[in-house]
Amino acid sequence: EPEVTQTPSHQVTQMGQEVILRCVPISNHLYFYWYRQILGQKVEFLVSFYNNEISEKSEIFDDQFSVERPDGSNFTLKIRSTKLEDSAMYFCASINRVGDTEAFFGQGTRLTVV
Amino acid sequence: AQRVTQPEKLLSVFKGAPVELKCNYSYSGSPELFWYVQYSRQRLQLLLRHISRESIKGFTADLNKGETSFHLKKPFAQEEDSAMYYCALRRIGNTGKLIFGQGTTLQVKP
Repeated sequence: EPEVTQTPSHQVTQMGQEVILRCVPISNHLYFYWYRQILGQKVEFLVSFYNNEISEKSEIFDDQFSVERPDGSNFTLKIRSTKLEDSAMYFCASINRVGDTEAFFGQGTRLTVV
Repeated sequence: AQRVTQPEKLLSVFKGAPVELKCNYSYSGSPELFWYVQYSRQRLQLLLRHISRESIKGFTADLNKGETSFHLKKPFAQEEDSAMYYCALRRIGNTGKLIFGQGTTLQVKP
């Protein structure tokens, strides 16, 4: 069964450093998402991406965040200058079309900012 | 504003007991409602969607628009049901983003 794959599974970075979280969505999917979950809190939507542009973003997704689909297979989330409060689990998800009811999630990347 | 509320952080039951995980939502239009499950060290995966009205692993959930609820039920809990359960809402025709509740940990004791 096809899966969404995220790398790395755990990333430790120093405050102020840039990080790139990587995701390989399911190959025929067209809509891509990033969510995050701070420890003990709910899963929160960050951004949706379709047709090579952001279709919606949350208040959390400020100028420090960017997303890209550089090569037609990878979908990346970049945090330019990490803060302690960026420490969280980051989930990538994809769906085939908006009317498709199931979103497929990656296993997550745990980001720890020290 | 759209919101999903799961009032219980932890629900602990004995094997064979009935289970009800509560979910209430706030949304002015017609939402799609889902239950996602996350077993230990595994990814989030879809358990149920209200549109399909199916029963998966013995779980059912009925959308009650009057009470704005989508509670997840199972008549007889099994130990392998122990997991984190998330209720989620999606606006029909939207970008596909999901709005999650806080999650409920279900612990089924032997």
